Amino acid sequence: KNEVEQSPQNLTAQEGEFITINCSYSVGISALHWLQQHPGGGIVSLFMLSSGKKKHGRLIATINIQEKHSSLHITASHPRDYAVYICAVPGRGGSQGNLIFGKGTKLSVKP
Amino acid sequence: NAGVMQNPRHLVRRRGQEARLRCSPMKGHSHVYWYRQLPEEGLKFMVYLQKENIIDESGMPKERFSAEFPKEGPSILRIQQVVRGDSAAYFCASSPQRGPEQFFGPGTRLTVL
Repeated sequence: KNEVEQSPQNLTAQEGEFITINCSYSVGISALHWLQQHPGGGIVSLFMLSSGKKKHGRLIATINIQEKHSSLHITASHPRDYAVYICAVPGRGGSQGNLIFGKGTKLSVKP
Repeated sequence: NAGVMQNPRHLVRRRGQEARLRCSPMKGHSHVYWYRQLPEEGLKFMVYLQKENIIDESGMPKERFSAEFPKEGPSILRIQQVVRGDSAAYFCASSPQRGPEQFFGPGTRLTVL
């Protein structure tokens, strides 16, 4: 069974800061998700990546398969980035459909 | 192409009643996953279904919970004789094929009085 650890649990940034959220997992995987859960509860998939780096706007996700580690960066953070950011990996066998989730990182950005 | 749809968005039940949660996957998606998020906790996998088949129900509580994904119509997560501890947000996700890429619905928030 895969285990997922996220850090930090809570993060408060000043508007404009570069922020990093980390995710480590224990078993080899085919791909890793970064999700955003809004204050209202809805979940949006930000990235799915299996190697290297992906960028979308101010969001950058990287993954190091050998080290079983991924990071989510937000450049120039903004109060509207307020959300819980969740990392998820496939469950059994590393390639199954069901996901195992980290506990999330709650991000607040002060204006 | 509409996204994953769930209804109702909010559901209130009294203890002992039944709760039925519906999930319509994205068009062309034949794989559905149900997840539960208890208050102040992370998301947990419940069940993975393909049309007319349960593929993996390792996360389903042993009693009172069942799920189906018929050939026609939405996937249904059914909770019989609800208890207060069933109060949670229930999310479904769908994918076009088996694998990690999934698209999430908005969730159903179940409150048991």
